[in-house]
Amino acid sequence: GENVEQHPSTLSVQEGDSAVIKCTYSDSASNYFPWYKQELGKRPQLIIDIRSNVGEKKDQRIAVTLNKTAKHFSLHITETQPEDSAVYFCAASSVYGNKLVFGAGTILRVKS
Amino acid sequence: GAVVSQHPSRVICKSGTSVKIECRSLDFQATTMFWYRQFPKQSLMLMATSNEGSKATYEQGVEKDKFLINHASLTLSTLTVTSAHPEDSSFYICSATPGLNLNEQFFGPGTRLTVL
Repeated sequence: GENVEQHPSTLSVQEGDSAVIKCTYSDSASNYFPWYKQELGKRPQLIIDIRSNVGEKKDQRIAVTLNKTAKHFSLHITETQPEDSAVYFCAASSVYGNKLVFGAGTILRVKS
Repeated sequence: GAVVSQHPSRVICKSGTSVKIECRSLDFQATTMFWYRQFPKQSLMLMATSNEGSKATYEQGVEKDKFLINHASLTLSTLTVTSAHPEDSSFYICSATPGLNLNEQFFGPGTRLTVL
C-alpha cells in the first residue's frame, strides 16, 4: 500500500521568511496530493492540492510542486505570518478507492 | 458548500460502555465516508471506509467488532465504539466525498472521546 513520508517534523522560521515542507510517496498510482493545515483540536483544513497531471500550483502565498518521476511533492509558504503556525499534513491518494494516506505532520512555528 | 458535521463534539464515558458518533454531510450526498483516529501529536490514521448500503472496509489492525460502522444513507454514517477502554480515548474525525473520482474529502470537526 501507499506510504507517505514527511520532513521536517518541526520547522521554525522568522516572520516573513519562507517555509518548505517535503513529502515522498511510494505508490506510482497515486494521483492526488492535498495539503492540510490543522490547528489544535480542530479539523484538517485543505489549503492546496495538486493532481498528477500538473507540476506546480500556486494560490497567493502558498504553492505546491510535484515531481512524479521522483515521487515527491513539496509545500512552499512565502512571507510567513504568525497565523501560519500550525501542524501541516501532506497526503496522497489514488483514484482507486479515494483513500488518503497522510504524512506524519510538520509543526510549523512562525516567530514574530 | 461541502459541509460535514459530527456529533457529539466531545464525549466522556465510563470504561465498558458504548459510544456512538454521527457524521453527516449537510449539503451533498456522500457516496463514501471515512473514519480516522488521531492520537495526540500524531497523524490521522484511517480506520475504515464506508460506502452507503454496504459493509465498511476496515484497515489492517482495526477491530471491526469493536468499531461498528453503519452508513445507512447517503448523508449519514455512524461509528460506535463498543466496550470502550481508556486506550480508545482519541480524536475521531470523519470525512466524506461525493465520489466521482474527485478524491477530495471534506472533514467533520472531530469528536474528542475520553474513556475513564
